[in-house]
Amino acid sequence: NAGVTQTPKFQVLKTGQSMTLQCAQDMNHEYMSWYRQDPGMGLRLIHYSVGAGITDQGEVPNGYNVSRSTTEDFPLRLLSAAPSQTSVYFCASSSLRGGGPYEQYFGPGTRLTVT
Amino acid sequence: QKEVEQDPGPLSVPEGAIVSLNCTYSNSAFQYFMWYRQYSRKGPELLMYTYSSGNKEDGRFTAQVDKSSKYISLFIRDSQPSDSATYLCAMNSNDYKLSFGAGTTVTVRA
Repeated sequence: NAGVTQTPKFQVLKTGQSMTLQCAQDMNHEYMSWYRQDPGMGLRLIHYSVGAGITDQGEVPNGYNVSRSTTEDFPLRLLSAAPSQTSVYFCASSSLRGGGPYEQYFGPGTRLTVT
Repeated sequence: QKEVEQDPGPLSVPEGAIVSLNCTYSNSAFQYFMWYRQYSRKGPELLMYTYSSGNKEDGRFTAQVDKSSKYISLFIRDSQPSDSATYLCAMNSNDYKLSFGAGTTVTVRA
């Protein structure tokens, strides 16, 4: 199993550009999520999904869109990049058999810089 | 005030020492408590999780939860240089959102 994969590993954008961060998992997990990690802030939840066709907002959703058309994939779209979106982005997945997303498996991250 | 507070450190200990990490929280609805380890430039990985109050042990790692004080701890016994990492606490109130602490950076000196 590859686990959770993310592409690209690094990306530099100019202000106003849009892009999609890709995330895929091969563990048949119902739950998938996107976090951003900034120094001193820990991980902050952007969006999450509990199954194909179901998404919801997390703590910091503004400026980001998600969709979940399959169990495996959960792309994150930046609509119009801003310097405040410079961060490391992590995708994670979890089974919900235990009732909640307690055992999350994280991808390797995407380092995004917006100039 | 953040929901979850965690001292960022850094914490430096000699090999073989006991590492003590902790988090405090303000949301009394939290019932599930997790500890993740994150090596430099990698994604976090789950170490252990506990439900409600009490202790849980897994090898050299012990997690403690004191809901009355809103305080959780992670102890690492016989620490090794390979334990050098950032440790993140996380909490959940039986919904689909986890709240993370900022993480504590630990260095174990050989």
